[in-house]
Amino acid sequence: ILNVEQSPQSLHVQEGDSTNFTCSFPSSNFYALHWYRWETAKSPEALFVMTLNGDEKKKGRISATLNTKEGYSYLYIKGSQPEDSATYLCAFPSREYGNKLVFGAGTILRVKS
Amino acid sequence: NAGVTQTPKFRVLKTGQSMTLLCAQDMNHEYMYWYRQDPGMGLRLIHYSVGEGTTAKGEVPDGYNVSRLKKQNFLLGLESAAPSQTSVYFCASRTQGVYNEQFFGPGTRLTVL
Repeated sequence: ILNVEQSPQSLHVQEGDSTNFTCSFPSSNFYALHWYRWETAKSPEALFVMTLNGDEKKKGRISATLNTKEGYSYLYIKGSQPEDSATYLCAFPSREYGNKLVFGAGTILRVKS
Repeated sequence: NAGVTQTPKFRVLKTGQSMTLLCAQDMNHEYMYWYRQDPGMGLRLIHYSVGEGTTAKGEVPDGYNVSRLKKQNFLLGLESAAPSQTSVYFCASRTQGVYNEQFFGPGTRLTVL
């Protein structure tokens, strides 16, 4: 059974703080890891798809790194803003169920102004 | 492009009633998925489809049926609604290719009394 774990479960930071979260996934048979941003009352929005060990991707103030050998990915947010408040999900494509995504439970980020 | 749309956005049912949720995508995607999202749990796959005319069971299919008569539409049916089916339902679609991100609809919030 694939298990994707995320930590911390929730995070409260002040505007301007930088923060990071962790996603742990099975390192065997790896081929991709997805990061999604999910705002309340909206649908999950894809941030990154990471495929290579050592991958580092960036979108504005958000970046992510990938270590497939040890099975983890970090998501970093530099200079958090209130609009960054959301749940951040990582997901690992399963080899069954039409390559469905196995999601972690998410990290809830709240940025106070 | 509208992306992935879902109707209705909200619905309240009585136990035993039936209803159909509609998911439509205009991106010519082959794969479509129905997930449910419950508090404290990740997104769980109900049913999926890998192409027009095909459907398959996901992790939690009991109490639901689906149809994919047209490539752009994926319908989720509840034959006899139960309170345990109170949830937020998300539809997603993607192209072939396991690296490709899934695009999510805005969700349908269903309450069964």
